[in-house]
Amino acid sequence: DIVMTQTPLSSPVILGQPASISCKSSKSLVHSDGNTYLSWFHQRPGQPPRLLIYRISNRFSGVPDRFSGSGAGTDFTLNINRVEAEDVGVYYCAQLTDFPWTFGQGTRVEIK
Amino acid sequence: EVQLVESGGDLAQPGGSLRLSCAASGFTFGRRPMGWVRQAPGKGLEWVSTINDNGINTHYGDSVRGRVIISRDNSKNILYLQMNSLRAEDTAVYHCAAWINAHFDYWGRGTPVTVSS
Repeated sequence: DIVMTQTPLSSPVILGQPASISCKSSKSLVHSDGNTYLSWFHQRPGQPPRLLIYRISNRFSGVPDRFSGSGAGTDFTLNINRVEAEDVGVYYCAQLTDFPWTFGQGTRVEIK
Repeated sequence: EVQLVESGGDLAQPGGSLRLSCAASGFTFGRRPMGWVRQAPGKGLEWVSTINDNGINTHYGDSVRGRVIISRDNSKNILYLQMNSLRAEDTAVYHCAAWINAHFDYWGRGTPVTVSS
């Protein structure tokens, strides 16, 4: 199984400042079809997860452009340009390239 | 508007069974893959199962394979998860999720399953 490792696990941030989360996979996430199925999800307390980014860097509909994704192969990053209060919660990366699909442990973002 | 509404979660005894349902609306259900993701209390997300649009191809996570069956009724726009031989570690909120334009782009609020004697 592909193991997804996120760092940091907790990220206290100042409003208006940037934040960055790393996600590393134990194996390349390049699918045989040439795509890399690496997604990022955000979960606010008491809410279901919501999709932020798919295929490394594509923002899902309605996601603010302060969120961006980058990376390739086994190393990926989620960046938040300027953190807003509504960005608190837990962020998960996930690989949907190989079965079984797997999630990272989650990174908790809180306001400092 | 896409809506996914789960039901069927309950308190069950170890070794027992439950069938979860997910009623879908707002998109062409029969043409989209669907899946289940669970979240144990205070823990992270765990992918459980995925089914393709016509129900022929299914995949399961290691921890549930052989004990759960994913299925769908495209005439009723409902996704199912039959859970058998339940264990305490199956205790979680179970979310159904759709793959409309991207993997798991829409999620339901979830239905809670508790396995305890």
